[in-house]
Amino acid sequence: DTEVTQTPKHLVMGMTNKKSLKCEQHMGHRAMYWYKQKAKKPPELMFVYSYEKLSINESVPSRFSPECPNSSLLNLHLHALQPEDSALYLCASSQGDSMGTSTDTQYFGPGTRLTVL
Amino acid sequence: RKEVEQDPGPFNVPEGATVAFNCTYSNSASQSFFWYRQDCRKEPKLLMSVYSSGNEDGRFTAQLNRASQYISLLIRDSKLSDSATYLCVVTAFSGGYNKLIFGAGTRLAVHP
Repeated sequence: DTEVTQTPKHLVMGMTNKKSLKCEQHMGHRAMYWYKQKAKKPPELMFVYSYEKLSINESVPSRFSPECPNSSLLNLHLHALQPEDSALYLCASSQGDSMGTSTDTQYFGPGTRLTVL
Repeated sequence: RKEVEQDPGPFNVPEGATVAFNCTYSNSASQSFFWYRQDCRKEPKLLMSVYSSGNEDGRFTAQLNRASQYISLLIRDSKLSDSATYLCVVTAFSGGYNKLIFGAGTRLAVHP
């Protein structure tokens, strides 16, 4: 079962709100990812966790704060977002290896469609 | 120059047609190559990995030419359900890790 789940499916928030996006996988994958995708654009990598440690932060603003409570869960905490942060936020996971993200296949969750008012 | 370049399309083809998508990448050190499919407002889904020997999965055939840094996807006997955006994806080693680099995608619209 190559399933990655994400909640919520849709989220509308104001610029002063604090919210969290959640991602879960039970495939035993050790690498997990957050991507941001704007309309008609490809996904852009935000963060990578490998073996529950933050491996890559693609210069993402601090108003986005990732957290990996355990090997199956990945959260993205949102605070003081801007309207331009409205996008589809995708979580993905892959087998991973001890060297970091490997060249193996990434499986994506259905995404959270975020609207910031 | 973009790291992964694709013709954005759209490709408008009738059912039953054969259609080919091309993709070029700039990093000669890239090790893995994929085609993902993305339906409107949905997540990308792996269509197939791409190998130098070429690989086929039903109506879909993918080819990789490392010397030319070129990847292709051929869809035979197009179905209405093939309508989607096809993303060419390669890996790039950066900061000690391999990352996926996505092309901008090629839109396919199959009509009756």
